[in-house]
Amino acid sequence: AQSVTQPDIHITVSEGASLELRCNYSYGATPYLFWYVQSPGQGLQLLLKYFSGDTLVQGIKGFEAEFKRSQSSFNLRKPSVHWSDAAEYFCAVGPNYGGATNKLIFGTGTLLAVQP
Amino acid sequence: DAGVTQSPTHLIKTRGQQVTLRCSPKSGHDTVSWYQQALGQGPQFIFQYYEEEERQRGNFPDRFSGHQFPNYSSELNVNALLLGDSALYLCASRPMRAEDEKLFFGSGTQLSVL
Repeated sequence: AQSVTQPDIHITVSEGASLELRCNYSYGATPYLFWYVQSPGQGLQLLLKYFSGDTLVQGIKGFEAEFKRSQSSFNLRKPSVHWSDAAEYFCAVGPNYGGATNKLIFGTGTLLAVQP
Repeated sequence: DAGVTQSPTHLIKTRGQQVTLRCSPKSGHDTVSWYQQALGQGPQFIFQYYEEEERQRGNFPDRFSGHQFPNYSSELNVNALLLGDSALYLCASRPMRAEDEKLFFGSGTQLSVL
């Protein structure tokens, strides 16, 4: 079955500390991979995506993610967290062809809290 | 340029009632998808509309139906509401032929079923 697992429900980091949010997926073939962020009262915003090529992808707001095929993982990282990064983060997968985002499968999310 | 807009923002219904949620896609977008996000969960795909037809559907019962209009706006209808239908309903849009696969989400409609 196709699924996305985000093992950390809630993470708290200090402002300025580094961050890594975990994502593992189960899919028939290598999917297209996405990270979205959701702030309270807001819709989801795309942070970054991986389709093919370089396994380290850069996104907005200083985020990056690394695709590891052998581990079926797509972990999100940021070297120095800002208070404004407090939000919920969702990993998602879609089929690896055009229209992938027409039917995304999301993980359950990781809620990030940032301590001053 | 307005993004994806959804109405209403909040809605309270009772079991057995019917509800209609509305979505206007971002300008230039012709494809609309609907997602249900229950409390503490990730969004779940309901269905996708393109050219006024349902193109893909997730694992939702027939009580969930939709429509897309010629101006690309869309409605989500839910009949015979159950308590478990309480959730945030998100609409997302994109141009069908966009290669960057960037999906734009609205802020959602929070539906409470009592």
